[in-house]
Amino acid sequence: GNSVTQMEGPVTLSEEAFLTINCTYTATGYPSLFWYVQYPGEGLQLLLKATKADDKGSNKGFEATYRKETTSFHLEKGSVQVSDSAVYFCALSDRSNTGKLIFGQGTTLQVKP
Amino acid sequence: GAGVSQSPRYKVAKRGQDVALRCDPISGHVSLFWYQQALGQGPEFLTYFQNEAQLDKSGLPSDRFFAERPEGSVSTLKIQRTQQEDSAVYLCASSFDSVETQYFGPGTRLLVL
Repeated sequence: GNSVTQMEGPVTLSEEAFLTINCTYTATGYPSLFWYVQYPGEGLQLLLKATKADDKGSNKGFEATYRKETTSFHLEKGSVQVSDSAVYFCALSDRSNTGKLIFGQGTTLQVKP
Repeated sequence: GAGVSQSPRYKVAKRGQDVALRCDPISGHVSLFWYQQALGQGPEFLTYFQNEAQLDKSGLPSDRFFAERPEGSVSTLKIQRTQQEDSAVYLCASSFDSVETQYFGPGTRLLVL
């Protein structure tokens, strides 16, 4: 069945460091891929998405590229800020089915000043 | 415009009690999803509605869980005879249709004592 695997956290970085959070997936068909973010005390928010191979999603300085050959969708940011501290979830949606999202377990990012 | 809202935000129930959780989706959104998020985990799919039709309930963990959306707008997730393992955050999401971006509500945190 479809699944998503994220690197385990927590990830602790200093401000302005480079961020990578790895995400790989297993899916039949051609899923859409997403990164959602959950800030402390808030609900899940869509950060970025990509709907087909080689697409790059980007938002707020974050980027992720849909790599079909490696079944990956790694999240990157060149220079993190304290305000980026949150839990990040990678997810896929099987568009041939109901469109339900399948999430990874989440990666906690803590950025220290 | 208004986002997805959920009520109550917090619910404490004694084991064996019935609970009802409400979701108000974004106006005009056809698709509505319920997810369950255990502490420290990613959300897991429970059930999906397209308008008033429940098209997928494969994620409901037992027959104690029941969901409805009678007029194709507001949805209610009901849990009968709650157990301690039902303690989790219950998330509702809506989208214009099943393949579009899902927007999440703030969740209802259920604690069963």
